[in-house]
Formats: sequence, structure tokens, C-alpha cells
Amino acid sequence: GESVGLHLPTLSVQEGDNSIINCAYSNSASDYFIWYKQESGKGPQFIIDIRSNMDKRQGQRVTVLLNKTVKHLSLQIAATQPGDSAVYFCAESYNQGGKLIFGQGTELSVKP
Amino acid sequence: EPEVTQTPSHQVTQMGQEVILRCVPISNHLYFYWYRQILGQKVEFLVSFYNNEISEKSEIFDDQFSVERPDGSNFTLKIRSTKLEDSAMYFCASRPLLAGGLEQFFGPGTRLTVL
Repeated sequence: GESVGLHLPTLSVQEGDNSIINCAYSNSASDYFIWYKQESGKGPQFIIDIRSNMDKRQGQRVTVLLNKTVKHLSLQIAATQPGDSAVYFCAESYNQGGKLIFGQGTELSVKP
Repeated sequence: EPEVTQTPSHQVTQMGQEVILRCVPISNHLYFYWYRQILGQKVEFLVSFYNNEISEKSEIFDDQFSVERPDGSNFTLKIRSTKLEDSAMYFCASRPLLAGGLEQFFGPGTRLTVL
């Protein structure tokens, strides 16, 4: 029979608000982390990354925070826009540049 | 801006048939990857490729799968005898040498439907 897809966590925000998407990663040896945005029917699009020797990195309207103590990663999007609506995946790598291990994903919905 | 391209965008095949999915990575990139995403699920690693050989593969990448870089631009994934459970989106990704950054750039994907 058909397989049932996982139910994605959903975050719904108002346009102009800030969004925070959280991710728990699995491997304490991971040394590289990355956030991707995936729109329906498209491939993952790079947003921002961070190495394990940092705890914060900022880009244009986006900030990634890394807390190695609790193995937690977050993506903050400032002044969220309708074009930010998508599924956001975190991913980790433990041999800098090797395979990416993706998280489940969070669906961000921005209301105009 | 350079990007990873993949063909075809959608491939429909009968169970047991062979399929070849094609990718053209970004031209100065040296590391290549295949991932797949079953509908509604997370992206899963299949295989990585560097210097004309497989550097890592997952449990999914069994004897039915193979990869090849037949020339200086293409990177292919072959599934010898497709099964129903191979139906998924297949993404190719590439990245440059370490000094060029660790982020992997993904193509738009090939949707494989096995009937």
C-alpha cells in the first residue's frame, strides 16, 4: 500500500514578524551544520551554515545559533515575508564536507 | 549564477527496468552526491563521489545502484532493476574543494515513479 508521509511540524507567522525554527541534531561529533529551504517541487536551497567552532552566524535577514551543549540548532528569520513560506531542513555533517544527515523539516507558513 | 542541473525532471518506469538519472554539477566542483526524498519524508543520503570513486555510501545504496562520471561534466545514478519503493525524488548535489566552502548545492531533482 501507500506509505504515509511524516507529519511535519508547522510554524505559522504573520508577515513582518520574526520566525524561529528549531532543530535537534543527533551526533555530538558533528562539526558542520546547515539550513536549507525547500519549496514545493524543488530541490533544497542553501540558506546559511555554521561550523562547530562558532555559536552564532548571521546572514541577510537570517541568523543561525548553535548550542553544542544540548545539541540544538536554530534558524531565525527577521521580518518574515510570504516568499519565506517553505519547508526548512537542518542538516549535520561529522566529517566536514561529507554526507549531510537531514532533520525532519519544519513547514513555515507566512500569512500576509 | 551557476547551478546544478538534472534530467529528466520526471521519469516513469516499470518495476524491474533500469533507469539512469543524470546530473550536471557546477563546473568547478569536485565532490558529488546523490540523495533521495520519498514523498513527505526527509532527504536521505545515498552516495558521495570524489576523485572518480565512491567515498561513502548508505545502506540504501545496495548492489542495484551505481554511479558514474562518464566525462568531465556528467554525473549519473543508475538503478539496475527498479522496485516500487525506489519511487522518490532524487537530488544531485555538488560542492567545491574545502577552501571553497562546505555547502552542498542541490539540483532541482528527478521525480522517479516506479509502476
